[in-house]
Amino acid sequence: AQKITQTQPGMFVQEKEAVTLDCTYDTSDQSYGLFWYKQPSSGEMIFLIYQGSYDEQNATEGRYSLNFQKARKSANLVISASQLGDSAMYFCAMSENSGGGADGLTFGKGTHLIIQP
Amino acid sequence: SQTIHQWPATLVQPVGSPLSLECTVEGTSNPNLYWYRQAAGRGLQLLFYSVGIGQISSEVPQNLSASRPQDRQFILSSKKLLLSDSGFYLCAWSSGSNQPQHFGDGTRLSIL
Repeated sequence: AQKITQTQPGMFVQEKEAVTLDCTYDTSDQSYGLFWYKQPSSGEMIFLIYQGSYDEQNATEGRYSLNFQKARKSANLVISASQLGDSAMYFCAMSENSGGGADGLTFGKGTHLIIQP
Repeated sequence: SQTIHQWPATLVQPVGSPLSLECTVEGTSNPNLYWYRQAAGRGLQLLFYSVGIGQISSEVPQNLSASRPQDRQFILSSKKLLLSDSGFYLCAWSSGSNQPQHFGDGTRLSIL
């Protein structure tokens, strides 16, 4: 079973509208982290936002917020007031503590977001 | 501030040739280091991670190896490249488990 599921392969959104990118995860760990990354066409992976499993409040970073619903194992990214520069691939990722070491991230397959003027 | 450098940016290699990709981190000590590969249009797959000098963990059996000869240096190698080794390789660092990972600009590797 996939550990990270992103059900939206592509999305078209009008500029200045809010965007919600879906992400559900699967883990049996109590301690884990959830991340969102942006990958423009140039290829670099840009860290956007992080939510720890024990964090009670939803994470926010500028125009980005993470809608964390632990019981539903959901970690959706919300981008407010979208801009043309937001067009990119967006990846949800998870780290788990079960390995006891520096476990890497497990990534979803991504959502291709296109902002239209 | 911390920076991560990865080179080369692009590389075209013939099948059967060796490979060495280098990644260095500045502005931090004892980082966790990672190598990922991204196939075209897909998410990233973890290849190797390291919590310290000489300590390498492999996630996927493959034609590649990794080494960490210095605290802030991480090298991805192969003795003989296969066609299936083509992809986009990204190095990343973090300050610990469950912490954000910060990526280099990546290397686009094409095998001919």
